[in-house]
Formats: sequence, structure tokens, C-alpha cells
Amino acid sequence: GAVVSQHPSWVICKSGTSVKIECRSLDFQATTMFWYRQFPKQSLMLMATSNEGSKATYEQGVEKDKFLINHASLTLSTLTVTSAHPEDSSFYICSVSGGRLRANEQFFGPGTRLTVL
Amino acid sequence: GQNIDQPTEMTATEGAIVQINCTYQTSGFNGLFWYQQHAGEAPTFLSYNVLDGLEEKGRFSSFLSRSKGYSYLLLKELQMKDSASYLCAAVPRGGDYKLSFGAGTTVTVRA
Repeated sequence: GAVVSQHPSWVICKSGTSVKIECRSLDFQATTMFWYRQFPKQSLMLMATSNEGSKATYEQGVEKDKFLINHASLTLSTLTVTSAHPEDSSFYICSVSGGRLRANEQFFGPGTRLTVL
Repeated sequence: GQNIDQPTEMTATEGAIVQINCTYQTSGFNGLFWYQQHAGEAPTFLSYNVLDGLEEKGRFSSFLSRSKGYSYLLLKELQMKDSASYLCAAVPRGGDYKLSFGAGTTVTVRA
């Protein structure tokens, strides 16, 4: 498997502020990282695919200027929620793929719960 | 597009067996994952099926029929800790590692 960490595990912020969430692959070099959002009692919704050293690919309906993704190294990707609003409150989960993992397998971080007041 | 269907909720008694079905329609198909997700936590890997048939792993087994676009996860000897959401995720054909997730089935195990 793979060990993935996220920081912070939870954050509360005021409306209009920006929040940065880090996703780290601790024990292998992840060529691809994914960012998901999950609302209560709903499934994981893919927001974007992040490849090291290149621009992220966003899913339809996800604003790239609002959800800034940086995949600066093979072990770190960050998601910044800019000018957060209450409707952005959600559970954000990253996953890693590629490298020594079998094709299409993803390992998930523990998630970050964002609450925007 | 991708369409993954699974029941919303299931309830069973401790020690019993529960079968969670998943049907999928995807643009190409490269396999199917099952994940377990406890409330407020990230999903954890349970199984991966590429070929038709049943794969058994302890109390959990997963089955795949590619021709029918159908899979199931079988949970045996249910324990209270098995209360969780179970997500099936299909792998569309392509080289971008994406997964298409179903909405998840919440299993409640009662004493």
C-alpha cells in the first residue's frame, strides 16, 4: 500500500478567507494525486487530477481559480480554497496513484474537514 | 459517461451475511474496486477485481461479471465494526488512473 497524510485534519475559517490543505505521500513517489470532495452522505466527487510538474486537470464544474492545486514534488500536493464560502464546507480527501502501485489503484489520505462560517 | 449504481442502505444482524450489489456502465472497463469508509474517515481499500469470478479475502469476498456489468461485495460473519459505507468504484479505460465512484452503501450492523 501507500501511506498518505493530510494537513490539517480539520479547519474552521471565516467566509472570504483562503485555506490551504496539504497532501503528502509518505512512503513512495506519487506521479498522480487526486483531490476529492465529499458532502455528508454522498459519494466522493473528483475535483481534479494533479500530476507532478504540470498543471492540474479539473473536472467539469470545478472552478480552477477557486480551487488552486499545486503539485510541486512527487510527495506533496496542495489544494487552496480561495475566498471560501459556507457552501465550500465539505470533507476534502486526496489520494495518490502511480509509481509502484498497480494500475488505477488509489490510496487515500485521512481527509480534511473544512467548515466555513 | 459513467454510471455506477448501488443500494443506499442495508441493515443486518451481527454474525449474519450481507451482499452489496453494484452495477456499472462505463466508457470501457479496466476493473472494479471496493472501498470501506467509516464516518468521517477516508476510504480504505478492500478489493480489486479485473477478471470474472469470486475473490475471497477472509470475511470479505468480491465478485465480478464483466459481461453483465455487475459486481458484489459479500460480508460474512458481520461484526459491529463493519458498520460503514461501502463504495464501489469502476475503472474506465484510459491511462489517467481515474476512478468512478458509486454513491456508497451504508451498512448498519445491529446486535
